[in-house]
Amino acid sequence: AQSVTQLGSHVSVSEGALVLLRCNYSSSVPPYLFWYVQYPNQGLQLLLKYTTGATLVKGINGFEAEFKKSETSFHLTKPSAHMSDAAEYFCAVSGGAQKLVFGQGTRLTINP
Amino acid sequence: NAGVTQTPKFRVLKTGQSMTLLCAQDMNHEYMYWYRQDPGMGLRLIHYSVGEGTTAKGEVPDGYNVSRLKKQNFLLGLESAAPSQTSVYFCASMIAGETQYFGPGTRLLVL
Repeated sequence: AQSVTQLGSHVSVSEGALVLLRCNYSSSVPPYLFWYVQYPNQGLQLLLKYTTGATLVKGINGFEAEFKKSETSFHLTKPSAHMSDAAEYFCAVSGGAQKLVFGQGTRLTINP
Repeated sequence: NAGVTQTPKFRVLKTGQSMTLLCAQDMNHEYMYWYRQDPGMGLRLIHYSVGEGTTAKGEVPDGYNVSRLKKQNFLLGLESAAPSQTSVYFCASMIAGETQYFGPGTRLLVL
């Protein structure tokens, strides 16, 4: 079975500071990993995904994530936060039958 | 190309009432999913479908039924709504091995 743990339900950073959102996963098979972003009153939008190959994955809006098998982690980073990054972020792992298992989400707040 | 659309956007029900949520996609995707989103719990899979005429249970299927009579539509039914079903419901669709695309959501309040 697959599971995802996102460390920290709320993260607050200053504009221009590094953004780091943590995600650890558990999977009995080689995982496919995803980060989605949800802006207020909207659906989920894919930021990036890891399937196979290069472990450092670049996504939209300057975000990237690194797959670390030894640490079972897939943390999301952005070097410099922008006010428009304020949103809720979800990490997910692909389970069987093309299903996704989501973490509980991390709400990112950007302070001016 | 509208992507994934959901109807209605918002609904208020009384306990015991029934309703159907409609999800439609115009991307010819085989896979479709219904999730519910509750504060602090992320998204949880209710039911899903791997193709027209097929459905399967997800993590939290109790109190819900689904149908996939047409490839482009996936219906979620609540036969007798309960306050515990107050949530935001998201539909998603996908081609096998690719990315799930999400609809804008339906907010449901059960009084």
